[in-house]
Amino acid sequence: DAKTTQPPSMDCAEGRAANLPCNHSTISGNEYVYWYRQIHSQGPQYIIHGLKNNETNEMASLIITEDRKSSTLILPHATLRDTAVYYCIVRVDENQGGKLIFGQGTELSVKP
Amino acid sequence: DAGVIQSPRHEVTEMGQEVTLRCKPISGHDYLFWYRQTMMRGLELLIYFNNNVPIDDSGMPEDRFSAKMPNASFSTLKIQPSEPRDSAVYFCASSLRWGSNQPQHFGDGTRLSIL
Repeated sequence: DAKTTQPPSMDCAEGRAANLPCNHSTISGNEYVYWYRQIHSQGPQYIIHGLKNNETNEMASLIITEDRKSSTLILPHATLRDTAVYYCIVRVDENQGGKLIFGQGTELSVKP
Repeated sequence: DAGVIQSPRHEVTEMGQEVTLRCKPISGHDYLFWYRQTMMRGLELLIYFNNNVPIDDSGMPEDRFSAKMPNASFSTLKIQPSEPRDSAVYFCASSLRWGSNQPQHFGDGTRLSIL
């Protein structure tokens, strides 16, 4: 079962920052937070992941709270091509299989 | 760089026929994963390989499903005989190494329809 809670849908204006929240209150100390997105008719696309510290790459930033019970994915300047379903995943510890368990995700609609 | 490549992109066949899905992982990746996505169950892990060896096939739904990885650059998922409830999108993914810190990279999937 997915260990995360995300809003089912969100809207964002083109050019604005998209902030996608995720709750993972039962996360364990060695479990990573991953974000993927899935654009219609394509496979899930890896975005970013982190353990404790905030992370940034060319696609997005990941902000993890100090208690690690929630995180936020930030797309700094959303474009129409960022319209997709975004999945927040708490990855099971590798000693227990390291599986990626996808939940229902947040459907982000970027509007002109 | 080439990502994970899957073929065919679409497959329509009649119930009872054998179906073979193919996957080429990213070069140099040691781990290969097969997933299935349906509206009802979302994305499910079926099986994964390490260095061509199946490690965990607990997600394979039935004996009708089998997967092989004859070499580091090729894997197949076979369904024989196929049934309408097997209709889904099947994804292949690969990762460089094992570990929770290693992202999996997905192909664009095979959309399978069993009539």
